[in-house]
Amino acid sequence: SQQGEEDPQALSIQEGENATMNCSYKTSINNLQWYRQNSGRGLVHLILIRSNEREKHSGRLRVTLDTSKKSSSLLITASRAADTASYFCATSNDYKLSFGAGTTVTVRA
Amino acid sequence: GAVVSQHPSWVICKSGTSVKIECRSLDFQATTMFWYRQFPKQSLMLMATSNEGSKATYEQGVEKDKFLINHASLTLSTLTVTSAHPEDSSFYICSADADMGAGQYFGPGTRLTVL
Repeated sequence: SQQGEEDPQALSIQEGENATMNCSYKTSINNLQWYRQNSGRGLVHLILIRSNEREKHSGRLRVTLDTSKKSSSLLITASRAADTASYFCATSNDYKLSFGAGTTVTVRA
Repeated sequence: GAVVSQHPSWVICKSGTSVKIECRSLDFQATTMFWYRQFPKQSLMLMATSNEGSKATYEQGVEKDKFLINHASLTLSTLTVTSAHPEDSSFYICSADADMGAGQYFGPGTRLTVL
């Protein structure tokens, strides 16, 4: 199964700043999804972007997808302390998900 | 909507015993459920795909005789770790696909510690 790579591995920002993380993958996909995981907890689905979409917004989240570069980015605007978590991208070609290594985001108050 | 529960949330067992973890979709039916394993500070690795009424499909390298999966109904899948050993200690997470290809909904996870 393919597995995406995420960049950076860790990110520390001040509350109110924006956080950007990137995900690259290797093969063709049907869609790409972003998830959040708080320490020791399950995953929360944030947003799904289909292969024919280039950008999608949900609240303070903005996701882009560039299928020619096989990459996606997640932008969290006006970060809050509650955004502190690990963020994973996951690609789907069939109905299975393949997860990236994740980006750990720490938002300092 | 689309809530998935897991039970237990954590379990400690002795080496050699078997442990059963339940995954339930509470407000929707899930023909397909997935079982993942996550080691500390690592990503989720898919172990198997659980299909209601049929045998589970295991990923390469996952021992089907050790990790028994039963998808008894459209709302329940169970993972049994048989003859558990300390190296099986991990965070096990299930997910359910409410609408094929539209996103999976994850359970809160079960932390297994084998002494």
